[in-house]
Amino acid sequence: EPEVTQTPSHQVTQMGQEVILRCVPISNHLYFYWYRQILGQKVEFLVSFYNNEISEKSEIFDDQFSVERPDGSNFTLKIRSTKLEDSAMYFCASGRTGGSQPQHFGDGTRLSIL
Amino acid sequence: AQSVTQLDSQVPVFEEAPVELRCNYSSSVSVYLFWYVQYPNQGLQLLLKYLSGSTLVKSINGFEAEFNKSQTSFHLRKPSVHISDTAEYFCAGDDKIIFGKGTRLHILP
Repeated sequence: EPEVTQTPSHQVTQMGQEVILRCVPISNHLYFYWYRQILGQKVEFLVSFYNNEISEKSEIFDDQFSVERPDGSNFTLKIRSTKLEDSAMYFCASGRTGGSQPQHFGDGTRLSIL
Repeated sequence: AQSVTQLDSQVPVFEEAPVELRCNYSSSVSVYLFWYVQYPNQGLQLLLKYLSGSTLVKSINGFEAEFNKSQTSFHLRKPSVHISDTAEYFCAGDDKIIFGKGTRLHILP
């Protein structure tokens, strides 16, 4: 069964540094998402992306965050100047359609900010 | 505000005993409801979903959930749990998938 793959599985970064989290969604999917899960807390929606632009974003997704689909396969999340509170698991998800269709999630990238 | 509530943060249960993990949703959430499972050190996996039709939905590994509109609930049940069911379970509603806080199912030998 096709999978959403995320790299790296664990990223350690100094506070203030830029970090890029990478995702390869399922190939025929059109909707892409990023979520985060701070340790011990709920999974939170960050952003959705469709047709090469952001379709929706949460209040968490501030100017420090950006997403990009640089080619036909990758979907990246960039954090420009990381803060300690950015430490979390970041999950990428993709869907064939938006809305009611369930999304397929990657295994996540654990981001640790020192 | 839209919300999905899981009242139990952790549920311990003996192996082969039945279990119910509770989930309630706010009525403003679109009634597309999901249960996801997260095994240790893994990502989220869809367990089952309710979109429309029959209010009782089942997964391939013995879990089932019933959509109850009057009680705004979507509780997850299994008649007999196995040690391999140890995981975190998340209830979620549609609209960019709003997640509950999760319930850790702890199977006791």
